Amino acid sequence: GQQLNQSPQSMFIQEGEDVSMNCTSSSIFNTWLWYKQDPGEGPVLLIALYKAGELTSNGRLTAQFGITRKDSFLNISASIPSDVGIYFCPGNQFYFGTGTSLTVIP
Amino acid sequence: EAGVVQSPRYKIIEKKQPVAFWCNPISGHNTLYWYLQNLGQGPELLIRYENEEAVDDSQLPKDRFSAERLKGVDSTLKIQPAELGDSAVYLCASSSLAGYEQFFGPGTRLTVL
Repeated sequence: GQQLNQSPQSMFIQEGEDVSMNCTSSSIFNTWLWYKQDPGEGPVLLIALYKAGELTSNGRLTAQFGITRKDSFLNISASIPSDVGIYFCPGNQFYFGTGTSLTVIP
Repeated sequence: EAGVVQSPRYKIIEKKQPVAFWCNPISGHNTLYWYLQNLGQGPELLIRYENEEAVDDSQLPKDRFSAERLKGVDSTLKIQPAELGDSAVYLCASSSLAGYEQFFGPGTRLTVL
């Protein structure tokens, strides 16, 4: 079956630091979506990637869809306390994996 | 624009009791999803509807779980009877038929005692 690996599982960083997380899949994806979930809320879409090699930015967030269509990374620059949450990268829309938990220390 | 509405937000029941969750998707969204989220895990798809048709219910435990979306708008997810292991957050999401982005509701936190 399909395997989706997200790393790291958790991160503890100082406010102002940059963050990088990535996802790899055993299968080829046609899309790659990055969501963030705040405590007590549902996930919210951050960035959507639709083409292999695509590099997209949304404010302090940058994400890229790997050329092989089996991986993607998300970078957050100059982290702030509201970046705290769990980040998911469901490549085929429906399989969310375990996510990356981000803690930002003020 | 109103978001995805779910009710109740919290529910506490005793095991073997029935429970139902309600979801009203964003207006115009034909695709509706129910997810189960355990603590420390990501959402797991239970069922996906395209209009009133359940197009993917392969992960729905059909011995105790059922869902309906009779008019292709709002939906109800039911558990009967509930077990201790059903304690989790139940998330509803919707998307436009051709879109990829899912809009999630706040979820219903179920506690089975």
